[in-house]
Amino acid sequence: DSGVTQTPKHLITATGQRVTLRCSPRSGDLSVYWYQQSLDQGLQFLIHYYNGEERAKGNILERFSAQQFPDLHSELNLSSLELGDSALYFCASSVGQGFMETQYFGPGTRLLVL
Amino acid sequence: AQSVTQLGSHVSVSEGALVLLRCNYSSSVPPYLFWYVQYPNQGLQLLLKYTSAATLVKGINGFEAEFKKSETSFHLTKPSAHMSDAAEYFCAVSEKGGSYIPTFGRGTSLIVHP
Repeated sequence: DSGVTQTPKHLITATGQRVTLRCSPRSGDLSVYWYQQSLDQGLQFLIHYYNGEERAKGNILERFSAQQFPDLHSELNLSSLELGDSALYFCASSVGQGFMETQYFGPGTRLLVL
Repeated sequence: AQSVTQLGSHVSVSEGALVLLRCNYSSSVPPYLFWYVQYPNQGLQLLLKYTSAATLVKGINGFEAEFKKSETSFHLTKPSAHMSDAAEYFCAVSEKGGSYIPTFGRGTSLIVHP
């Protein structure tokens, strides 16, 4: 158990809908990272927040957005969903804000868009 | 620009045999290099990382990797495979001095036969 929790574990929705994925980092970790893992694209970095502020953006679509709240939990919002958005979405956390730091991954949210 | 190539989407070994998972990277600046393991239905777990200290890096579960700049490689090895090592392994590169956003390889599935 990494100490990072993600909800829900599974999500099935329809094209055009909007969903919110939630991540709670390990106690004491200030950074949250979001990743997408799909068969087509592999594992890709989406976005990084540190202590409530966005620090880095990767291959995140404009239909996707994220935020980190004062209690340090984070939410990833996916809107106007398409079939190709079906994937595993992971969040990870670390103490500091550098990618060289050890990141602890949650179990993921599996999203299926029908 | 950075990239990672993992040679072999599947590697099959017998229990007790040497494990060798190959990773070659491309980076315009000195890199940070990582190996992660993903067990079925779980998130990624950091095995080891190279951050410009010793070129031979020891990780968890008996794994180690050697950074070879001349060969742009960071292969993962373990002297003796256990059944419990069966999993997906990902190599990742992150460029120092840049955005540090990691790029992941496509993964290598390690199969261990009794």
